[in-house]
Amino acid sequence: NAGVTQTPKFQVLKTGQSMTLQCAQDMNHEYMSWYRQDPGMGLRLIHYSVGAGITDQGEVPNGYNVSRSTTEDFPLRLLSAAPSQTSVYFCASKFAGEAFFGQGTRLTVV
Amino acid sequence: SQKIEQNSEALNIQEGKTATLTCNYTNYSPAYLQWYRQDPGRGPVFLLLIRENEKEKRKERLKVTFDTTLKQSLFHITASQPADSATYLCALFDSGGYNKLIFGAGTRLAVHP
Repeated sequence: NAGVTQTPKFQVLKTGQSMTLQCAQDMNHEYMSWYRQDPGMGLRLIHYSVGAGITDQGEVPNGYNVSRSTTEDFPLRLLSAAPSQTSVYFCASKFAGEAFFGQGTRLTVV
Repeated sequence: SQKIEQNSEALNIQEGKTATLTCNYTNYSPAYLQWYRQDPGRGPVFLLLIRENEKEKRKERLKVTFDTTLKQSLFHITASQPADSATYLCALFDSGGYNKLIFGAGTRLAVHP
């Protein structure tokens, strides 16, 4: 049981580039979400999904897209990276109120 | 506006003492509140969940209280150890449902031998 797996662990992008952060879980959880964590600001919810085919916005959705075609996967897309998107990104699944987090992706946009 | 407030200053305590961390919230009416632990470079790990009708909950050396009148939760670690050093986050669900889990910024705890 791997839990929640995020790839890559580190990434450097140039402004304007696009990329997809991958997230997969093997616990068959319906709910998955993406957060970003910045110093002093804590975890902020970007997007979440309550099941395959259903996604919704969190607190800070601008600049990010998501889709959920399977229960296992919930990728996060940055369409045109900006320096303000430099952050640590965490994917989480949830069951019975408890959230299970991945190890995070540290993204730097230069 | 809705806010979750945790002390941004690090809490430094001596090994063996009880650590007490505070979480205050405004403009939420959570049915339950959670506490997570986060180590540097790692994702948060769930510790405890307490429901609005529970005044107190315990798990080994951890104790959480939940006062919906004061809009406050206290998180206690008794007989603290250096291995307890980490950042502790409180979290609750945004109003209107259980889909938006919102976190406080966390309090860093340092336990000194």
